[in-house]
Amino acid sequence: EAAVTQSPRNKVTVTGGNVTLSCRQTNSHNYMYWYRQDTGHGLRLIHYSYGAGNLQIGDVPDGYKATRTTQEDFFLLLELASPSQTSLYFCASSDARGPNERLFFGHGTKLSVL
Amino acid sequence: QQKVQQSPESLTVSEGAMASLNCTFSDGTSNNFRWYRQHSAKGLEVLVSIFSDGEKEEGRFTAHLNRANLHVSLHIREPQPSDSAVYLCAVRTGGYKVVFGSGTRLLVSP
Repeated sequence: EAAVTQSPRNKVTVTGGNVTLSCRQTNSHNYMYWYRQDTGHGLRLIHYSYGAGNLQIGDVPDGYKATRTTQEDFFLLLELASPSQTSLYFCASSDARGPNERLFFGHGTKLSVL
Repeated sequence: QQKVQQSPESLTVSEGAMASLNCTFSDGTSNNFRWYRQHSAKGLEVLVSIFSDGEKEEGRFTAHLNRANLHVSLHIREPQPSDSAVYLCAVRTGGYKVVFGSGTRLLVSP
């Protein structure tokens, strides 16, 4: 089973604060994703990447930057955090080799912006 | 842009009765559909995957896909209280972008 590890598990910051969420996957998957989950919205795609140095914009990218430094590591950056970014964030990876590829999820990071 | 919608928003069934959940999508070229379960804002558990029209069964969980009608459903046979959770439909398009529905909250009463 592929392993996806997110850190931190919980984070509290203040409005205007600078936050970095980290994600590491150990199976050399090429695709990695950042989602946020809010009540009534399911999971919404923020950014995704198909390899080191690549970045694709998702459906709710405003206020977020992302960087894929290596095949294993994908970071989500909130440079001026706002209360609307309080959410549960999930990272996922996939090898995307065919139509039946699947996502492997981390356990999530709960972010609170006060 | 792919739109994925789930219905109902919430569903209560009695233990042992069939539970049926629905998911509609907007992009007819979508080729990869999965149902996930999530207990209390925890991690996501894959229940069943389906890639072609018809039916796919995984234990008590059965998915039905009809791409012409842009519809995929999940049926849970003999649901138990431990099946109470949020169920999420995920649809992948050809560009490897995976879009989720907003979820159905299922409550199974003893």
